[in-house]
Amino acid sequence: DAGVIQSPRHEVTEMGQEVTLRCKPISGHDYLFWYRQTMMRGLELLIYFNNNVPIDDSGMPEDRFSAKMPNASFSTLKIQPSEPRDSAVYFCASSLSGVSSPLHFGNGTRLTVT
Amino acid sequence: GENVEQHPSTLSVQEGDSAVIKCTYSDSASNYFPWYKQELGKRPQLIIDIRSNVGEKKDQRIAVTLNKTAKHFSLHITETQPEDSAVYFCAASRYGNTGKLIFGQGTTLQVKP
Repeated sequence: DAGVIQSPRHEVTEMGQEVTLRCKPISGHDYLFWYRQTMMRGLELLIYFNNNVPIDDSGMPEDRFSAKMPNASFSTLKIQPSEPRDSAVYFCASSLSGVSSPLHFGNGTRLTVT
Repeated sequence: GENVEQHPSTLSVQEGDSAVIKCTYSDSASNYFPWYKQELGKRPQLIIDIRSNVGEKKDQRIAVTLNKTAKHFSLHITETQPEDSAVYFCAASRYGNTGKLIFGQGTTLQVKP
């Protein structure tokens, strides 16, 4: 298996622009998680899905953030409009059976908003 | 809300020495405690985990201990090697498939050759 695949690896955009991050989980994994990593706040859970359904989005910072999972093999995290404080590494992770089983992380997307 | 505190934030040891990282958690219902290693510029990867029905678990040079009464758990790395240098994260979650996996703030371990 190729593991969790994220794209793009790096994204540089200007404030106010829309940003879309993409994730392909490991086949057969029913859970998908979006995390954000910054020096100040560490690894923060933004949202997670079970069988394509959003279960907990309480970590989504504000309405500018949205996430979708239209099918079992694809998810997007969208930021519109983007702001400099959104600059971070965004990780997607998948697991076989929720938070009590190992999370497999993608390589992350490093987002820079200028 | 749930919280996981991790100490120290940085740790420097000589090659061959042992390293210990400690975490405390606030949610007494937590029962799954994984540890992730993140090398510079890479993704976090699971290195070991423990569940609440076990007090200790070992995997070669790595061991984790859990004290449910005190609500703390620790990672022990023996005979450290330069390739052990990385950021280590502890985490905790409740039983079952739902809920959140809460991460500690991370410990930067440097192993000096």
